[in-house]
Amino acid sequence: EVQLVESGGGLIQPGGSLRLSCAVSGIIVSSNYMNWVRQAPGKGLEWVSVLYAGGSTFYADSVKGRFTISRDNSKNTLYLQMNSLRAEDTAIYYCARDLGQGEFDCWGQGTLVTVSS
Amino acid sequence: DIQLTQSPSFLSASVGDRVTITCRASQGISSYLAWYQQKPGKAPRLLIYAASTLQSGVPSRFSGSGSGTEFTLTISSLQPEDFATYYCQQLNSYSYTFGQGTKLEIK
Repeated sequence: EVQLVESGGGLIQPGGSLRLSCAVSGIIVSSNYMNWVRQAPGKGLEWVSVLYAGGSTFYADSVKGRFTISRDNSKNTLYLQMNSLRAEDTAIYYCARDLGQGEFDCWGQGTLVTVSS
Repeated sequence: DIQLTQSPSFLSASVGDRVTITCRASQGISSYLAWYQQKPGKAPRLLIYAASTLQSGVPSRFSGSGSGTEFTLTISSLQPEDFATYYCQQLNSYSYTFGQGTKLEIK
């Protein structure tokens, strides 16, 4: 059974940094396309970033230059380093596995990030 | 960037009804379109991918069609557990976009 478990969310002041983790079991992170997707309170889904199996990374314009996606193969874990956080980054952050053509078949339960002073 | 526009944004229907949700892309995306269902407090669930392929375990009352710029999700006979929010999503040029969502409510 595939399981994705996010952690690392919390309350952070504007301008601060936070690192989210997504611990994965049942699949090998380094062999899959792994994504972060977020959802602001009461709003729709917004794609944030993807890390391809080959190592290429891509970001939404809204986070480019501030967020970094990475993985630790030894821990089978996906990360999202978030810097220069803004109020508009407040959201539930989900990690999700992409089957290869944009179909996200496995999702974690999400971790809430609140950016507020 | 490619934009996805869903219609309607809200839909009120009854158990047993047939409903259709439309997703229009701002430019052609071939068949790189997926549909998701999300219930309150839960992660999204993949229903359809490649525009018309039913994800394993998803009931056959769900179906998808379309290519290019216009796509539809159809639920042939609504069940109580189908009342949720539905999103379309596309992949193009290493960037993904979701539609704004369609909230399906019980009439």
